[in-house]
Amino acid sequence: KAGVTQTPRYLIKTRGQQVTLSCSPISGHRSVSWYQQTPGQGLQFLFEYFSETQRNKGNFPGRFSGRQFSNSRSEMNVSTLELGDSALYLCASSLVIWDRVFDTDTQYFGPGTRLTVL
Amino acid sequence: GESVGLHLPTLSVQEGDNSIINCAYSNSASDYFIWYKQESGKGPQFIIDIRSNMDKRQGQRVTVLLNKTVKHLSLQIAATQPGDSAVYFCAEKDQGGSEKLVFGKGMKLTVNP
Repeated sequence: KAGVTQTPRYLIKTRGQQVTLSCSPISGHRSVSWYQQTPGQGLQFLFEYFSETQRNKGNFPGRFSGRQFSNSRSEMNVSTLELGDSALYLCASSLVIWDRVFDTDTQYFGPGTRLTVL
Repeated sequence: GESVGLHLPTLSVQEGDNSIINCAYSNSASDYFIWYKQESGKGPQFIIDIRSNMDKRQGQRVTVLLNKTVKHLSLQIAATQPGDSAVYFCAEKDQGGSEKLVFGKGMKLTVNP
Protein backbone atom coordinates (compact mmCIF):
# COMPACT_ATOMS: atom_id res chain seq x y z
CA LYS A 1 0.00 0.00 0.00
CA ALA A 2 1.46 3.37 -0.98
CA GLY A 3 2.19 5.86 1.77
CA VAL A 4 1.17 9.48 2.11
CA THR A 5 2.45 11.54 -0.78
CA GLN A 6 3.01 15.27 -0.86
CA THR A 7 3.73 17.55 -3.77
CA PRO A 8 5.83 19.43 -4.43
CA ARG A 9 8.70 18.34 -2.21
CA TYR A 10 10.48 21.69 -2.41
CA LEU A 11 9.19 25.16 -3.15
CA ILE A 12 10.72 28.62 -3.17
CA LYS A 13 8.47 31.66 -3.09
CA THR A 14 8.84 35.37 -2.36
CA ARG A 15 7.05 37.44 0.23
CA GLY A 16 3.50 38.36 -0.69
CA GLN A 17 2.97 35.40 -2.99
CA GLN A 18 0.61 32.56 -2.29
CA VAL A 19 1.25 28.83 -2.39
CA THR A 20 -0.81 25.66 -2.63
CA LEU A 21 0.47 22.34 -1.31
CA SER A 22 -1.07 18.97 -2.06
CA CYS A 23 -1.42 15.79 -0.06
CA SER A 24 -2.68 12.36 -1.09
CA PRO A 25 -3.49 10.15 1.90
CA ILE A 26 -3.01 6.43 2.20
CA SER A 27 -5.69 4.62 0.26
CA GLY A 28 -8.76 4.17 2.44
CA HIS A 29 -7.76 6.87 4.91
CA ARG A 30 -10.36 9.59 5.19
CA SER A 31 -8.77 11.92 7.71
CA VAL A 32 -5.99 14.31 6.71
CA SER A 33 -4.12 16.61 9.08
CA TRP A 34 -1.61 19.32 8.27
CA TYR A 35 1.33 20.41 10.41
CA GLN A 36 4.00 23.08 10.22
CA GLN A 37 7.47 22.15 11.42
CA THR A 38 10.19 24.67 12.19
CA PRO A 39 13.40 24.33 14.23
CA GLY A 40 12.18 26.88 16.75
CA GLN A 41 8.54 25.88 17.22
CA GLY A 42 8.65 22.19 16.43
CA LEU A 43 5.59 20.46 15.03
CA GLN A 44 2.48 22.59 15.18
CA PHE A 45 -1.01 21.50 14.19
CA LEU A 46 -2.63 23.49 11.39
CA PHE A 47 -5.94 21.76 10.66
CA GLU A 48 -7.65 18.42 10.18
CA TYR A 49 -10.14 17.39 7.52
CA PHE A 50 -12.57 14.50 7.37
CA SER A 51 -15.15 13.92 4.64
CA GLU A 52 -14.39 17.27 3.07
CA THR A 53 -15.08 19.10 6.34
CA GLN A 54 -12.60 20.87 8.56
CA ARG A 55 -12.93 19.17 11.91
CA ASN A 56 -10.16 20.80 13.91
CA LYS A 57 -8.09 23.93 13.55
CA GLY A 58 -4.89 25.07 15.17
CA ASN A 59 -3.82 28.57 16.14
CA PHE A 60 -2.72 29.92 12.80
CA PRO A 61 -3.86 33.11 11.03
CA GLY A 62 -6.52 33.08 8.36
CA ARG A 63 -3.82 33.21 5.68
CA PHE A 64 -3.57 29.47 6.19
CA SER A 65 -6.47 27.54 4.75
CA GLY A 66 -7.18 24.10 3.44
CA ARG A 67 -9.71 21.87 1.83
CA GLN A 68 -10.38 18.22 1.19
CA PHE A 69 -11.82 16.64 -1.90
CA SER A 70 -14.24 13.75 -2.22
CA ASN A 71 -11.36 11.36 -2.88
CA SER A 72 -9.80 12.46 0.46
CA ARG A 73 -6.94 14.28 -1.22
CA SER A 74 -6.24 17.57 0.52
CA GLU A 75 -4.68 20.89 -0.30
CA MET A 76 -3.48 23.67 1.92
CA ASN A 77 -3.05 27.24 0.82
CA VAL A 78 -1.00 30.03 2.32
CA SER A 79 -1.70 33.52 1.04
CA THR A 80 0.43 36.64 1.39
CA LEU A 81 3.51 34.68 2.33
CA GLU A 82 5.79 35.98 5.08
CA LEU A 83 9.41 35.09 5.78
CA GLY A 84 8.28 33.28 8.92
CA ASP A 85 6.21 30.86 6.86
CA SER A 86 9.40 29.12 5.76
CA ALA A 87 9.01 25.63 7.16
CA LEU A 88 8.48 21.98 6.45
CA TYR A 89 4.75 21.38 5.91
CA LEU A 90 3.70 17.88 6.79
CA CYS A 91 0.54 16.05 5.95
CA ALA A 92 -0.66 13.01 7.90
CA SER A 93 -3.52 10.64 7.22
CA SER A 94 -5.40 8.28 9.49
CA LEU A 95 -8.13 5.72 9.01
CA VAL A 96 -10.83 7.41 11.06
CA ILE A 97 -10.79 10.04 13.72
CA TRP A 98 -13.57 9.06 16.07
CA ASP A 99 -13.32 5.28 16.15
CA ARG A 100 -11.99 4.28 19.54
CA VAL A 101 -10.70 0.89 18.42
CA PHE A 102 -7.04 0.58 19.22
CA ASP A 103 -4.55 1.54 16.51
CA THR A 104 -6.97 3.27 14.18
CA ASP A 105 -6.06 6.74 15.39
CA THR A 106 -2.48 6.45 14.25
CA GLN A 107 -1.43 9.22 11.90
CA TYR A 108 0.95 8.35 9.10
CA PHE A 109 3.05 11.19 7.79
CA GLY A 110 4.18 12.09 4.32
CA PRO A 111 7.71 13.31 3.56
CA GLY A 112 6.66 16.95 3.70
CA THR A 113 6.99 20.00 1.47
CA ARG A 114 9.91 22.24 2.25
CA LEU A 115 8.75 25.83 1.67
CA THR A 116 11.29 28.62 1.57
CA VAL A 117 10.06 32.21 1.49
CA LEU A 118 12.58 34.79 0.31
CA GLY B 1 19.39 19.00 4.55
CA GLU B 2 16.61 18.86 7.13
CA SER B 3 17.19 21.13 10.09
CA VAL B 4 14.62 19.57 12.40
CA GLY B 5 17.38 18.57 14.83
CA LEU B 6 18.48 22.12 15.60
CA HIS B 7 17.85 23.53 19.10
CA LEU B 8 16.93 20.10 20.44
CA PRO B 9 18.28 18.28 23.48
CA THR B 10 20.58 15.47 22.40
CA LEU B 11 21.21 12.01 23.71
CA SER B 12 24.37 10.24 22.57
CA VAL B 13 24.77 6.52 23.13
CA GLN B 14 27.08 3.77 22.00
CA GLU B 15 25.87 1.13 19.58
CA GLY B 16 24.47 -1.79 21.50
CA ASP B 17 23.51 0.24 24.56
CA ASN B 18 19.91 0.70 25.65
CA SER B 19 18.46 4.18 25.16
CA ILE B 20 15.77 5.91 27.17
CA ILE B 21 14.04 8.98 25.79
CA ASN B 22 11.76 10.86 28.15
CA CYS B 23 8.80 13.10 27.57
CA ALA B 24 6.71 15.17 29.95
CA TYR B 25 3.23 15.85 28.64
CA SER B 26 1.05 18.72 29.61
CA ASN B 27 -2.62 17.74 29.47
CA SER B 28 -3.87 15.50 32.27
CA ALA B 29 -6.90 14.70 30.09
CA SER B 30 -4.73 13.19 27.34
CA ASP B 31 -5.58 9.54 26.89
CA TYR B 32 -3.62 8.50 23.81
CA PHE B 33 0.12 8.81 23.27
CA ILE B 34 2.39 8.11 20.34
CA TRP B 35 6.12 8.06 19.76
CA TYR B 36 7.40 9.12 16.37
CA LYS B 37 10.86 8.93 14.84
CA GLN B 38 11.99 11.47 12.27
CA GLU B 39 15.09 10.95 10.19
CA SER B 40 16.75 13.73 8.29
CA GLY B 41 14.77 14.69 5.20
CA LYS B 42 11.77 12.54 6.07
CA GLY B 43 8.42 12.90 7.75
CA PRO B 44 7.79 11.49 11.25
CA GLN B 45 7.43 7.71 11.31
CA PHE B 46 5.13 5.95 13.77
CA ILE B 47 7.00 3.80 16.31
CA ILE B 48 4.57 2.77 19.02
CA ASP B 49 1.50 4.04 20.81
CA ILE B 50 -0.18 3.54 24.16
CA ARG B 51 -3.55 4.38 25.65
CA SER B 52 -4.06 5.71 29.13
CA ASN B 53 -5.56 2.46 30.42
CA MET B 54 -2.11 0.89 30.07
CA ASP B 55 1.20 1.71 31.71
CA LYS B 56 3.46 -0.32 29.45
CA ARG B 57 3.48 -1.55 25.90
CA GLN B 58 6.20 -3.41 24.04
CA GLY B 59 7.10 -3.56 20.40
CA GLN B 60 10.10 -4.79 18.50
CA ARG B 61 13.12 -3.53 20.49
CA VAL B 62 11.00 -0.68 21.88
CA THR B 63 9.01 -0.26 25.06
CA VAL B 64 6.81 2.66 26.00
CA LEU B 65 6.10 3.41 29.64
CA LEU B 66 3.34 5.73 30.79
CA ASN B 67 3.16 7.27 34.25
CA LYS B 68 -0.07 9.22 34.45
CA THR B 69 0.55 10.34 38.01
CA VAL B 70 3.47 12.53 36.98
CA LYS B 71 2.42 12.91 33.32
CA HIS B 72 5.54 11.23 32.02
CA LEU B 73 6.12 9.08 28.99
CA SER B 74 9.30 7.25 28.08
CA LEU B 75 10.56 5.30 25.11
CA GLN B 76 13.13 2.59 25.70
CA ILE B 77 15.12 1.28 22.75
CA ALA B 78 17.01 -1.93 23.33
CA ALA B 79 20.37 -2.65 21.69
CA THR B 80 20.46 0.73 19.96
CA GLN B 81 21.72 0.67 16.39
CA PRO B 82 23.16 3.42 14.17
CA GLY B 83 19.92 3.32 12.19
CA ASP B 84 18.10 4.48 15.31
CA SER B 85 19.80 7.88 15.03
CA ALA B 86 16.99 10.37 14.52
CA VAL B 87 14.81 12.91 16.29
CA TYR B 88 12.17 11.33 18.50
CA PHE B 89 8.87 13.04 19.30
CA CYS B 90 6.20 12.14 21.75
CA ALA B 91 2.64 13.20 20.97
CA GLU B 92 -0.45 13.32 23.13
CA LYS B 93 -4.13 13.44 22.30
CA ASP B 94 -7.27 14.01 24.30
CA GLN B 95 -9.73 11.85 22.43
CA GLY B 96 -12.65 13.11 24.46
CA GLY B 97 -11.69 16.71 23.98
CA SER B 98 -10.10 18.58 21.13
CA GLU B 99 -8.78 15.39 19.53
CA LYS B 100 -5.80 17.33 18.22
CA LEU B 101 -2.43 15.63 18.33
CA VAL B 102 0.01 17.78 20.32
CA PHE B 103 3.70 17.12 19.80
CA GLY B 104 6.54 17.56 22.23
CA LYS B 105 9.68 19.41 21.21
CA GLY B 106 11.63 16.28 20.43
CA MET B 107 14.97 14.78 21.35
CA LYS B 108 17.82 14.00 18.99
CA LEU B 109 19.31 10.55 19.45
CA THR B 110 22.83 9.98 18.13
CA VAL B 111 24.17 6.45 18.10
CA ASN B 112 27.94 6.18 17.94
CA PRO B 113 29.35 3.05 16.27
